[in-house]
Amino acid sequence: GQQVMQIPQYQHVQEGEDFTTYCNSSTTLSNIQWYKQRPGGHPVFLIQLVKSGEVKKQKRLTFQFGEAKKNSSLHITATQTTDVGTYFCAGPRDSNYQLIWGAGTKLIIKP
Amino acid sequence: DTEVTQTPKHLVMGMTNKKSLKCEQHMGHRAMYWYKQKAKKPPELMFVYSYEKLSINESVPSRFSPECPNSSLLNLHLHALQPEDSALYLCASGGVGFLNTGELFFGEGSRLTVL
Repeated sequence: GQQVMQIPQYQHVQEGEDFTTYCNSSTTLSNIQWYKQRPGGHPVFLIQLVKSGEVKKQKRLTFQFGEAKKNSSLHITATQTTDVGTYFCAGPRDSNYQLIWGAGTKLIIKP
Repeated sequence: DTEVTQTPKHLVMGMTNKKSLKCEQHMGHRAMYWYKQKAKKPPELMFVYSYEKLSINESVPSRFSPECPNSSLLNLHLHALQPEDSALYLCASGGVGFLNTGELFFGEGSRLTVL
């Protein structure tokens, strides 16, 4: 069946280091969305990418959508404690347009 | 702050109890969703309402019964749940109809514990 795979599952970084999470879809996606969920919180929409090769920036966050629209990445430059949480990618399922979610990447800041 | 409001925030119930989760949004979205989220997992879709009609049921057991009284409200009625149903239940709204054309707005969730 259609799948969205996300790696890594966890990433431990020192504050100030960079962070990257990657998503790969088994099929071409019409769009991909990214959400952030803080510990104990709920998912919050970050961005939607629609175009092949699209790159969008939000301050220290850079989102990319691959040329084939099957992969995407989120890169955070110089992480801060406020970046802690789990980052999910999600793309629409072919059959009913509902989101298929990646497993999430948990960003942990080392003390 | 979230524009989707869920109550209660926490709920503990026995396996013979009947309870309801409630969700309200005033953003004019015509699609509303129930998701279930277990610890360290992504949200898992349960139901989608589009224009107040149930459009998607992801093979959810009948002990979960959704209801959409109007375009702003969504309920999830719970009856005879099992301990493995303990999870965070998230309501979301968004888009037009059930087509995923845009972002989902999630409520803060109702954390359910079944004893």
